[in-house]
Amino acid sequence: AQKVTQAQTEISVVEKEDVTLDCVYETRDTTYYLFWYKQPPSGELVFLIRRNSFDEQNEISGRYSWNFQKSTSSFNFTITASQVVDSAVYFCALSEALSNYQLIWGAGTKLIIKP
Amino acid sequence: DVKVTQSSRYLVKRTGEKVFLECVQDMDHENMFWYRQDPGLGLRLIYFSYDVKMKEKGDIPEGYSVSREKKERFSLILESASTNQTSMYLCASSLPLAGEQYFGPGTRLTVT
Repeated sequence: AQKVTQAQTEISVVEKEDVTLDCVYETRDTTYYLFWYKQPPSGELVFLIRRNSFDEQNEISGRYSWNFQKSTSSFNFTITASQVVDSAVYFCALSEALSNYQLIWGAGTKLIIKP
Repeated sequence: DVKVTQSSRYLVKRTGEKVFLECVQDMDHENMFWYRQDPGLGLRLIYFSYDVKMKEKGDIPEGYSVSREKKERFSLILESASTNQTSMYLCASSLPLAGEQYFGPGTRLTVT
């Protein structure tokens, strides 16, 4: 069955440290999409990235980078030189053709960046 | 920029009241969604809609109904609010198929 696991419930680091948030997924489908969202304390979920199953290229956007590895069914998210404004809950999600592209959400990782 | 707005950020209602939560998106998205978010339970899909006047049940539709009379507007209705419906309600919209969902700011509903 499809599933998204974010094993890290909470991570706390000091500002300027690098931090990686793990995401492991399970799917029966060959066509699927992976997403990361950020939910700051204000509550609004902010879309960060979408990746499809046919594109394993890593992505970098400023201090953010994503490592997609089909061999380990992982889609990890790294923040380089973290800042206090990165403090938020981060969600990984999966959608697959077999499930009509409904989003399956991970439980989220709460990231705390201490000054 | 995609914009999804929700009618209220905070709402307090009494048990038994009929509650309307409104969501409007300005990006001409076909798909719209209603979720609730509770500590320890994550995001759970209540209802979604692929088109005007179409609706599909999500994972937890009991106690809720929805209305989509116009493409840009998706309403969530609590016919008779109960205390276990106290929650954060999030609306989202997306393009068809695997389009990323864009969320509104959320409505924190308290039922007393």
